[in-house]
Amino acid sequence: NAGVTQTPKFQVLKTGQSMTLQCAQDMNHEYMSWYRQDPGMGLRLIHYSVGAGITDQGEVPNGYNVSRSTTEDFPLRLLSAAPSQTSVYFCASSSQTSGEGTQYFGPGTRLLVL
Amino acid sequence: AQSVTQPDIHITVSEGASLELRCNYSYGATPYLFWYVQSPGQGLQLLLKYFSGDTLVQGIKGFEAEFKRSQSSFNLRKPSVHWSDAAEYFCAVVSTGTASKLTFGTGTRLQVTL
Repeated sequence: NAGVTQTPKFQVLKTGQSMTLQCAQDMNHEYMSWYRQDPGMGLRLIHYSVGAGITDQGEVPNGYNVSRSTTEDFPLRLLSAAPSQTSVYFCASSSQTSGEGTQYFGPGTRLLVL
Repeated sequence: AQSVTQPDIHITVSEGASLELRCNYSYGATPYLFWYVQSPGQGLQLLLKYFSGDTLVQGIKGFEAEFKRSQSSFNLRKPSVHWSDAAEYFCAVVSTGTASKLTFGTGTRLQVTL
């Protein structure tokens, strides 16, 4: 039981490049989400999904796309990377969509945009 | 919109001393309340959570937190800190009846001196 896995662990991009951050969970959780963590700002919600085929925006969605074709996977796409997207990205999942469920976090992806 | 305030950016305590980390929230009703811990270079791990009932909740690693409605606070405590408790601690809230969208505080970094 691997829990929540994220790849890659670290990535360097040039401004304007695109990439996909991968997130997978093997707990059959319906709820999945992406956060970014920046110094002094805590974690902020980018996008979330309450089940396959359903996604919605969080607090800071601009510049990011998501899709949820399966229960297990929830990739985050940067279409045209900008230096402001330099951050640490965390994926999380929960068995409950209504708020009280424990969210399990992946180990994070550290992204540097030059 | 809901918000979470952690007024202490950095706290240093001696090993064996007691600890209290402060958290205040702003929300119209009682939200779901959480404390997470993040060790360096790691993802977040849930310490404890409060939904309703007994206002003193016990968590893992000997931590507890007390919900005080009158003060809109959810402070984290530990009677005797261990060197391994050095980490960053995040308070978070979720609006009741909504998807599991966590709103995080900016975190408190705990340093433990021997």
